[in-house]
Amino acid sequence: AQSVTQLDSHVSVSEGTPVLLRCNYSSSYSPSLFWYVQHPNKGLQLLLKYTSAATLVKGINGFEAEFKKSETSFHLTKPSAHMSDAAEYFCVVKRNYGQNFVFGPGTRLSVLP
Amino acid sequence: GAGVSQSPRYKVAKRGQDVALRCDPISGHVSLFWYQQALGQGPEFLTYFQNEAQLDKSGLPSDRFFAERPEGSVSTLKIQRTQQEDSAVYLCASSFTTGTSGAYEQYFGPGTRLTVT
Repeated sequence: AQSVTQLDSHVSVSEGTPVLLRCNYSSSYSPSLFWYVQHPNKGLQLLLKYTSAATLVKGINGFEAEFKKSETSFHLTKPSAHMSDAAEYFCVVKRNYGQNFVFGPGTRLSVLP
Repeated sequence: GAGVSQSPRYKVAKRGQDVALRCDPISGHVSLFWYQQALGQGPEFLTYFQNEAQLDKSGLPSDRFFAERPEGSVSTLKIQRTQQEDSAVYLCASSFTTGTSGAYEQYFGPGTRLTVT
């Protein structure tokens, strides 16, 4: 069965400094992986997805993630944090057989001025 | 175009009452999902429709939970005899594809926050 671990429940960075949100997954087969962001009182928005075409995936708002099969990781990074990046971030793996997503517990990102 | 919409956005129910939560998916999207998100946690899968067919309801926590999508578009999640542990945000998502493989994204609605008192 697929599962997702997000190692940090809360990450705090200063504006303009790099962001690293960690994600490890468990999957028997080559997974489909996603990062979603959830701003308060707003719906989940897709940041990026891993399609197996390239291990380094670029998403919206300057975010990117690198798929590392040997480490079963899919960490999310951004070179320079902006105040508007403060939100909850979810790493997601899609079931190999079936349609539904399996979400990690989420990482809350705080950006300090 | 319009995204996924859900109504009501907030619902307060007294324990024992029945509630109905509505989801309007993106037009043309074949797949529709319901998730439950408890406070401080990630969303958890409840059920999945392909058109009007409910193909997976393995995540429904009890027989008090019932979902339907009779015409393959709008969906309703019904909770009978609500309990305090049902308090959560209920998210609806839709997707264009019916494929079981590949990185097909889901588009999420804003959710309905249910509070059972």
